[in-house]
Amino acid sequence: AQSVTQLDSQVPVFEEAPVELRCNYSSSVSVYLFWYVQYPNQGLQLLLKYLSGSTLVESINGFEAEFNKSQTSFHLRKPSVHISDTAEYFCAVRLSSGGYQKVTFGTGTKLQVIP
Amino acid sequence: DTGVSQNPRHKITKRGQNVTFRCDPISEHNRLYWYRQTLGQGPEFLTYFQNEAQLEKSRLLSDRFSAERPKGSFSTLEIQRTEQGDSAMYLCASSPSSGQGFYQETQYFGPGTRLLVL
Repeated sequence: AQSVTQLDSQVPVFEEAPVELRCNYSSSVSVYLFWYVQYPNQGLQLLLKYLSGSTLVESINGFEAEFNKSQTSFHLRKPSVHISDTAEYFCAVRLSSGGYQKVTFGTGTKLQVIP
Repeated sequence: DTGVSQNPRHKITKRGQNVTFRCDPISEHNRLYWYRQTLGQGPEFLTYFQNEAQLEKSRLLSDRFSAERPKGSFSTLEIQRTEQGDSAMYLCASSPSSGQGFYQETQYFGPGTRLLVL
């Protein structure tokens, strides 16, 4: 069975500073990896994903994540955060074969951007 | 495209009562998922439908839980004999079975139904 670990439950960071939200996964077979974001009082929405190909994936609002198979990690980074990035971020994993659709989420990391 | 909708948005019930939640997916999506999210946790997978067929069920889905998607459109999740431990946010998501680019393997979440069992 697959699992996801997000070690940091809260990450405070000053506006315009860089940030990294850590995600490690466990699976004996190949996986798809996702980052979802939940803004205050809004539903979950997909931020970015790794399915195959380039291990570096980017979102439209400046976030990026790199799939590292050897370290089983999919850390989320942004070089300069904005107040509007304040949200809870969830890393998630799904098996990429076998037709299984179950997505396993981490416990989330709350990003607090300080003006 | 109005997104995934869920009703009711909030439900307060007494222990032992039955409750039913409804999810209306995005109209062209034939995959539908139910999750449960408790405070301080990420969403936990409950079940998955492809059209009207329920193809995956989590062990979290005890005998008191049942989900249906009779015509492959909307879905209902029923909890019988509710317990205080059932208090949580119940999330529904949908996705297309095929897609390219950003739409591939993307699940679209509804706003959730928050259940409080007294």
